[in-house]
Amino acid sequence: GESVGLHLPTLSVQEGDNSIINCAYSNSASDYFIWYKQESGKGPQFIIDIRSNMDKRQGQRVTVLLNKTVKHLSLQIAATQPGDSAVYFCAETLRSGYSTLTFGKGTMLLVSP
Amino acid sequence: NAGVTQTPKFRVLKTGQSMTLLCAQDMNHEYMYWYRQDPGMGLRLIHYSVGEGTTAKGEVPDGYNVSRLKKQNFLLGLESAAPSQTSVYFCASSYTSTAKETQYFGPGTRLLVL
Repeated sequence: GESVGLHLPTLSVQEGDNSIINCAYSNSASDYFIWYKQESGKGPQFIIDIRSNMDKRQGQRVTVLLNKTVKHLSLQIAATQPGDSAVYFCAETLRSGYSTLTFGKGTMLLVSP
Repeated sequence: NAGVTQTPKFRVLKTGQSMTLLCAQDMNHEYMYWYRQDPGMGLRLIHYSVGEGTTAKGEVPDGYNVSRLKKQNFLLGLESAAPSQTSVYFCASSYTSTAKETQYFGPGTRLLVL
């Protein structure tokens, strides 16, 4: 979920488990959503995106679910690996015009062997 | 193809000093962005550019200026650094507007203002 103050919410899982990271977005008009992964000391990296006309989108080991009714996104990572340890951000935007991304505060995923 | 690069990687400034952060991309992207990232927070947009010679304000533009004289470069300037500007700065670029194309991020510049 979203962080409050200086502390990121943290999800700790064992290697091989499935992970679910949640995000509440703020703008009901947003129609395009992206998940980014940020490893320590690096810039964010695109994982997967979804448009508002979809409820679910699958990638390689990742699935994004979108619930527009409650303005909620989730990222599911199957068979989580130590290399998945990172901070995960959701971002929202409008598909029209010169819209820019609004990022959530992030969730830290820690995967132990 | 280096993607998005940022210079410098790390810098320490005293309050009141000025500096320029350089972002370069070799992907022929039209759009470029500057973000700052503070502990426990997501990225916040400072300024962005939708093409060479154009700039626009983002969410937190105060205390910063930008220039996009060449398509491949986007400069972020701090005229008089303040401790509140201690942060990690990320540059990003995209081929078209965010709506249609994901942004590609640089590795970041860590700035400490004393």
